[in-house]
Amino acid sequence: KAGVTQTPRYLIKTRGQQVTLSCSPISGHRSVSWYQQTPGQGLQFLFEYFSETQRNKGNFPGRFSGRQFSNSRSEMNVSTLELGDSALYLCASSLGGSGRTDTQYFGPGTRLTVL
Amino acid sequence: AQSVTQPDIHITVSEGASLELRCNYSYGATPYLFWYVQSPGQGLQLLLKYFSGDTLVQGIKGFEAEFKRSQSSFNLRKPSVHWSDAAEYFCAVGPSSGGYNKLIFGAGTRLAVHP
Repeated sequence: KAGVTQTPRYLIKTRGQQVTLSCSPISGHRSVSWYQQTPGQGLQFLFEYFSETQRNKGNFPGRFSGRQFSNSRSEMNVSTLELGDSALYLCASSLGGSGRTDTQYFGPGTRLTVL
Repeated sequence: AQSVTQPDIHITVSEGASLELRCNYSYGATPYLFWYVQSPGQGLQLLLKYFSGDTLVQGIKGFEAEFKRSQSSFNLRKPSVHWSDAAEYFCAVGPSSGGYNKLIFGAGTRLAVHP
């Protein structure tokens, strides 16, 4: 089975712009979670989507949003970029139907640099 | 508050030596527990997980971890380290009921291996 894929792998944007990141989960997985990784804050949960619905959200401002499509692919969007949004954004997929924490499999990440 | 503590930010061991990486958690109920490894510029790879049952769990690459409820710990061990084990290791916890796929990560332990 193919693993979790994320596109693009690298992005450079300027402050004030917006960006969209994409994640394709492992075939058959219906849950997609997003995490932000920075040297200062470490790995932080952004949100989780399951069957096209956001069912869990971390403590991030409303500039961070996401969605999930019927094929389970997910996108996250960051509007009005700030320098502090520079990070590695990781997507993880899991089966998602158990009602509790599944084993999550991570993609390679998208490295976002905001100038 | 829910949290994961990895007391050692950086550990250096010689190739062939044994390894123990520490992880302590603070959580309302017994969580599900995970160890992930991250090589530079890469995503996270699952090493092992504990959901229930035998408190000593085996993972990939010769790693094992032991869950100790009384100490709220989930330490990772390997009897003989290989140079290829140099990477960053993350302990994570997630809810065993409700809460779905929202992992809380420790700050990570960076492992260096001397030849």
